[in-house]
Amino acid sequence: DIQMTQSPSSVSASVGDRVTITCRASQGISSWLAWYQQKPGKAPKLLIYSASSLHSGVPSRFSGSGSGTDFTLTISSLQPEDSATYYCQQANSFPQTFGQGTKVEIK
Amino acid sequence: QVQLVESGGGVVQPGRSLRLSCAASGFMFSTYALHWVRQAPGKGLEWVALISYDGSNKFYANSVKGRFTMSRDNSRNTVSLQMNSLRTEDTAVYYCAKEAPIGAATTGAFDIWGQGTVVIVSS
Repeated sequence: DIQMTQSPSSVSASVGDRVTITCRASQGISSWLAWYQQKPGKAPKLLIYSASSLHSGVPSRFSGSGSGTDFTLTISSLQPEDSATYYCQQANSFPQTFGQGTKVEIK
Repeated sequence: QVQLVESGGGVVQPGRSLRLSCAASGFMFSTYALHWVRQAPGKGLEWVALISYDGSNKFYANSVKGRFTMSRDNSRNTVSLQMNSLRTEDTAVYYCAKEAPIGAATTGAFDIWGQGTVVIVSS
């Protein structure tokens, strides 16, 4: 199975800050990577697919990059509504796997 | 609107069975693969199973292989997850999710999720 490792596990930042979350795959997954945002008690929401493509309706402050084994999710200017847990997911091979999550808090 | 609605969750004893359903609306159901993803209390997301658009291909997580079976009825726009020999570690919120397309292909990502149904396995 492909292991997905996210870092950091949590981050606390101020409104307007730039926040970067990394996701590393245990083997190459090309660009078969997605990012999700999940708020407590809610289903995850798709942010980024194919490593760097912004899903429809997602604010442009979210961006993704990377290929192969190393990927990043960047929030260019953190907003209060971005407080959530973020997950990466590889769709290169079965079983599909998720990272363990990164909790983003607002200072 | 485009939505998935899960049902069938509940409290069940270890070793017993439960069947989850997911009803779809607002999109051409028969052209998309569907997945089940679960989340144990306070934990992260775990992919569980996939069924292809026509039901001909199915894949399962190692943790449920041989115990869970996914099926679909394209005439009723529903997918199901038959869960047998349930274990306490199967306790979770179960989500069904639709694959996001890119043109005629798939991105492998999940663009539509249901609200989830809670399964508690406890004696």
